[in-house]
Amino acid sequence: DSGVTQTPKHLITATGQRVTLRCSPRSGDLSVYWYQQSLDQGLQFLIQYYNGEERAKGNILERFSAQQFPDLHSELNLSSLELGDSALYFCASSVGSGAEAFFGQGTRLTVV
Amino acid sequence: GIQVEQSPPDLILQEGANSTLRCNFSDSVNNLQWFHQNPWGQLINLFYIPSGTKQNGRLSATTVATERYSLLYISSSQTTDSGVYFCALGAGSYQLTFGKGTKLSVIP
Repeated sequence: DSGVTQTPKHLITATGQRVTLRCSPRSGDLSVYWYQQSLDQGLQFLIQYYNGEERAKGNILERFSAQQFPDLHSELNLSSLELGDSALYFCASSVGSGAEAFFGQGTRLTVV
Repeated sequence: GIQVEQSPPDLILQEGANSTLRCNFSDSVNNLQWFHQNPWGQLINLFYIPSGTKQNGRLSATTVATERYSLLYISSSQTTDSGVYFCALGAGSYQLTFGKGTKLSVIP
């Protein structure tokens, strides 16, 4: 158990819908990262938050947004879902930049 | 951004055999991690090794930062070692960049 908790584990939804993925980081970790893993793109960095502030952005679509709350949990919002958004979404956390990152079990999103 | 190249892309081993997985990278790093993604999709931390050598049971890893490569050694492989092994790097920026992975299949 990495100590990073993601919910839900599985999600099936229709095209055009909106979903929210939730992540609770390890106790004491201030950085939260979101990654997308699809068959054709591999593991891609989406966005990072550090202590509530956005720190870095990767290949995140405009239809996607995220935030980190004062209790340090984070949510990734995916809207106007398309079939191509089907993927495994991971959250990771670390104490800070350059420190070891630990990953949650992932949320498997299927868009039908 | 930093480039990460893992080799080989696929590896099939007989149970009990040893193997070496390689990760080459294009820039200086302040974070290098090896992960094992099991058949259920979980990403399991193996090593945090921006430089030097570490060992954990049948697994060990070495990173030679000056020559920009890292090696993961698996000895006496078991069927439970099957899965995909990822090398991931952090170089100045805060997030990890992942390689494409080495898919390992250990057959009885």
